[in-house]
Amino acid sequence: QKEVEQDPGPLSVPEGAIVSLNCTYSNSAFQYFMWYRQYSRKGPELLMYTYSSGNKEDGRFTAQVDKSSKYISLFIRDSQPSDSATYLCAMSSPSGGSYIPTFGRGTSLIVHP
Amino acid sequence: EAGVVQSPRYKIIEKKQPVAFWCNPISGHNTLYWYRQNLGQGPELLIRYENEEAVDDSQLPKDRFSAERLKGVDSTLKIQPAELGDSAVYLCASSRTGVTGELFFGEGSRLTVL
Repeated sequence: QKEVEQDPGPLSVPEGAIVSLNCTYSNSAFQYFMWYRQYSRKGPELLMYTYSSGNKEDGRFTAQVDKSSKYISLFIRDSQPSDSATYLCAMSSPSGGSYIPTFGRGTSLIVHP
Repeated sequence: EAGVVQSPRYKIIEKKQPVAFWCNPISGHNTLYWYRQNLGQGPELLIRYENEEAVDDSQLPKDRFSAERLKGVDSTLKIQPAELGDSAVYLCASSRTGVTGELFFGEGSRLTVL
């Protein structure tokens, strides 16, 4: 079993829908939780970043962390075709004074007009 | 602020040939990472540098892979000889020292081994 599990999709939704993307994890030492967005043939870019449990909102994006269930989510409101990309969750725990992210495999999102 | 620059973007070689990838991180970022991303998978760490020092290379296949980061800035990742299973995207990322996961990635070098 991988440390971070993520459904690869694809997830296809109509424009304007609310999108829910999720990851589960097994390592209770993870403290920092991130969502990266990766467009086709591009490198990942950081979208959201949270520490420990709770919610964080940034525009149309909301990241949610439930450490008791080892479950994190990313919600996208009013989804747009430009949101079509692969969304990677990532988590990090302390290791030798640093925090190295462990990535999920990514969920492919398609938002159609 | 210029982003992480990688080259070449694409490389096609025959198996057993050598290949090298180059990365220029964001100015001021002391930590540099090389990740490998297989098709349909998330990035997997190969090696991490703090300045010139490789501090985490446990996942680097040392029989055929090597890396260096001269003067603590640019870095090169080399594969010799390449195998069919090395076909992947090689991503370079950088961050400020001590950050907790906020990495800045380059666009990647896509390797195809025939």
